Amino acid sequence: EDKVVQSPLSLVVHEGDTVTLNCSYEVTNFRSLLWYKQEKKAPTFLFMLTSSGIEKKSGRLSSILDKKELFSILNITATQTGDSAVYLCAVRAGGTSYGKLTFGQGTILTVHP
Amino acid sequence: DSGVTQTPKHLITATGQRVTLRCSPRSGDLSVYWYQQSLDQGLQFLIHYYNGEERAKGNILERFSAQQFPDLHSELNLSSLELGDSALYFCASSVGGLAGGVDTQYFGPGTRLTVL
Repeated sequence: EDKVVQSPLSLVVHEGDTVTLNCSYEVTNFRSLLWYKQEKKAPTFLFMLTSSGIEKKSGRLSSILDKKELFSILNITATQTGDSAVYLCAVRAGGTSYGKLTFGQGTILTVHP
Repeated sequence: DSGVTQTPKHLITATGQRVTLRCSPRSGDLSVYWYQQSLDQGLQFLIHYYNGEERAKGNILERFSAQQFPDLHSELNLSSLELGDSALYFCASSVGGLAGGVDTQYFGPGTRLTVL
């Protein structure tokens, strides 16, 4: 069964700090790994990673995938209070279940002023 | 705004009842996915439809069913509701088809179901 584990489960930092969120996975026939940010309601898409070692960046957020070691990290630099949210990692397999996203438990990030 | 719409936003009903949740995908997306999010289980995949056909099933109960119509909107039907069915139900959509597995899923705002 596909499995995604995120760490830490929660993190409290102050504005300006840099944080690293971790995601490890076990999946048969890996196709892609996605990061989402969930505030009060719907998960909002951040990144999709398919190739190992290629960093994706968007402003202060960046992410990289290591397909050999089966993990990904999400970095947020110069954190702001608006970054407070649950960050979800999900993996997508190929084959007959390619539509399914398997999510981790999420990391709750709290950024204090 | 992801472009995925869901109705209703909130639903309060009693045990034993049946409800229908509705989802309209983003323009151009052929795939629709349903997920359930509860406090103890996190986000769980329920079912995937592509262009009107069921493609994959996850941990969907037999009391739950879904369909995707010719105009690509989808409905999730939940029947014989139990207290434990209270959760947030999300719909997501993606391009689907040949891009399967590497196309991004965009989530709707969700329907919060409360079963009393």
